[in-house]
Amino acid sequence: DVKVTQSSRYLVKRTGEKVFLECVQDMDHENMFWYRQDPGLGLRLIYFSYDVKMKEKGDIPEGYSVSREKKERFSLILESASTNQTSMYLCASTVEGFNSPLHFGNGTRLTVT
Amino acid sequence: QKEVEQNSGPLSVPEGAIASLNCTYSDRGSQSFFWYRQYSGKSPELIMFIYSNGDKEDGRFTAQLNKASQYVSLLIRDSQPSDSATYLCAVNGVYNTNAGKSTFGDGTTLTVKP
Repeated sequence: DVKVTQSSRYLVKRTGEKVFLECVQDMDHENMFWYRQDPGLGLRLIYFSYDVKMKEKGDIPEGYSVSREKKERFSLILESASTNQTSMYLCASTVEGFNSPLHFGNGTRLTVT
Repeated sequence: QKEVEQNSGPLSVPEGAIASLNCTYSDRGSQSFFWYRQYSGKSPELIMFIYSNGDKEDGRFTAQLNKASQYVSLLIRDSQPSDSATYLCAVNGVYNTNAGKSTFGDGTTLTVKP
């Protein structure tokens, strides 16, 4: 079974802090994604990556950056956390190709105060 | 218009009934379609995928796709209380930077009453 592991289940940070959310997958998947999920807004794509050191902006990249130095690890960075970034963050991975379903991590619930 | 729209919930059905969940999408070039189930406080998990027009059955679940109408649905037969969850429709693009990228509907919350 594919395992996608997010480093923290719950995080509480202060406004202005730099925040790192880590995600690791163990199935050698090429593609990795970061989504955020908010009530009434559904799942929205922040950034994705098709390969090591490659990244593409999703629908809502503002205020975020990503890093993919190794194939199995995809990090989401909040450069200066703000209260409107309080959300559930979901990491996912897939094999290469457009027909592949997403395998999600357990999610990180981030609260910015 | 949203790229992926699902019928607004919540949807409530009695145990043993058929639950019908609907989804429409705007990108005519979309090629792959997924249904995920998400229990409260948990992450989404795949329950069905469909790529070709017609019906695809897996146990109590049937996915239906009509590309001409840009419509995909999920039927749950003999609904059980354990089916109570939010169901997310996701659509994948094919071309260039959309390849493999899933766009989600807002979800439909289903409650199955014993």
